[in-house]
Amino acid sequence: GESVGLHLPTLSVQEGDNSIINCAYSNSASDYFIWYKQESGKGPQFIIDIRSNMDKRQGQRVTVLLNKTVKHLSLQIAATQPGDSAVYFCAERATGGFKTIFGAGTRLFVKA
Amino acid sequence: IAGITQAPTSQILAAGRRMTLRCTQDMRHNAMYWYRQDLGLGLRLIHYSNTAGTTGKGEVPDGYSVSRANTDDFPLTLASAVPSQTSVYFCASSGGAGANVLTFGAGSRLTVL
Repeated sequence: GESVGLHLPTLSVQEGDNSIINCAYSNSASDYFIWYKQESGKGPQFIIDIRSNMDKRQGQRVTVLLNKTVKHLSLQIAATQPGDSAVYFCAERATGGFKTIFGAGTRLFVKA
Repeated sequence: IAGITQAPTSQILAAGRRMTLRCTQDMRHNAMYWYRQDLGLGLRLIHYSNTAGTTGKGEVPDGYSVSRANTDDFPLTLASAVPSQTSVYFCASSGGAGANVLTFGAGSRLTVL
């Protein structure tokens, strides 16, 4: 069945270091992958996305890598800041579909 | 400010009572969704609507119903609440150029006793 999971439930990093959050997916039919950030008491917020025909996509301080061979997705955050502390979700979706499937989430702690 | 408005923010409800969570968006998005969020389980899709007048079941639809009378509103109803429906409920929408990206509301925390 469809599932999106995360390898690490919590991640603690020093301010200024780079963070890497990993995610495994199992649905080969998914062709669109998204990372969301959820701060305490708020709804998830879009960070970055990538289509299945790409291996890498960069945004401002964030990079998403997609390895379709092993069905693995990662989010890299450069120079992690205290404001990056949140729960991060990976999600998958099939083009034209209306179901976005979320992973369980990884909590990122940034130590000052 | 464009976005999604959910109400109530928080509610404590006795088991067996009926409850409607409200969701309104002003972005003219075609698709709307209801998710529930439980610790360790991420966000699970309850129901969705790809356009006004149509609805569909998600992963966990039992005990919930929705309606989509117009583009802006997508209420979620619990006909007879049970304690297992204690959760944080998020409404979301998608459409336009960012059709694959969900915009979420701030959530409604529901406690069923």
